[in-house]
Amino acid sequence: KAGVTQTPRYLIKTRGQQVTLSCSPISGHRSVSWYQQTPGQGLQFLFEYFSETQRNKGNFPGRFSGRQFSNSRSEMNVSTLELGDSALYLCASSPSGMNTEAFFGQGTRLTVV
Amino acid sequence: DQQVKQNSPSLSVQEGRISILNCDYTNSMFDYFLWYKKYPAEGPTFLISISSIKDKNEDGRFTVFLNKSAKHLSLHIVPSQPGDSAVYFCAARASYGQNFVFGPGTRLSVLP
Repeated sequence: KAGVTQTPRYLIKTRGQQVTLSCSPISGHRSVSWYQQTPGQGLQFLFEYFSETQRNKGNFPGRFSGRQFSNSRSEMNVSTLELGDSALYLCASSPSGMNTEAFFGQGTRLTVV
Repeated sequence: DQQVKQNSPSLSVQEGRISILNCDYTNSMFDYFLWYKKYPAEGPTFLISISSIKDKNEDGRFTVFLNKSAKHLSLHIVPSQPGDSAVYFCAARASYGQNFVFGPGTRLSVLP
C-alpha cells in the first residue's frame, strides 16, 4: 500500500507570491490534515478535511486555505507569502480521523526569500 | 500558550539503557495521547498511543505511562538502540474527532 505522498518536496518562493502544496493520502483514507512544523514549535495544526469538507481548523490567518477533492487528494494554498511562512508543511491521512493515529507524508519544505 | 509541553529539547542515552521522554499537558479535557518519532527528511511515524482510561500501554520496547492527576505522560524505551535516535513528539486530543495538539519535540540521541 503506497504511503502519503506530498509534492513538491522542496519549494523556494518570494515574499508576496502564493504557493500550492499537494497531498495524496493512503488509498481508502478519507481524512487529511495539514500541519506546519517550525524549529521549536512542534507541529502546528492548520486544518483537517474529511469527505471534501473542512472539519477542523487551527489558528492560522486566512492566507492559509485548503481543499479536498472527491478522490481524497488535498491541496493547501498560502497566499501573499511572508518570510515567517518558511517551514516544513506536513500532511497526514487517516481512515476517518477519529480515535486513530495518522500517517504522515515526508513533507514539503517551503522557503520564502 | 502551549497546551502540550516537552520541556527537554534533547536527551542523550547510552545504548542498552533506558530512555525516558516526558510530556506535560494543560488541558484536562485531553483524552487520547500518541507518541510519534521523526527522522530527518521523513514525516513523523506513529509509535504508540494511550487512552485516558488507561495508565499504561506497552508495545515491545516502548511503554507509555499516563498520570492524569499530574497531567503527565512519559515514553520509556528499553533497551535503547542507536536506531532510536530521532525527534519524539507527544500529541494529545481533547475529544473524539478533534485535531491533535503536538508538543515541540525532544531529540533523543542513543550513543553506541
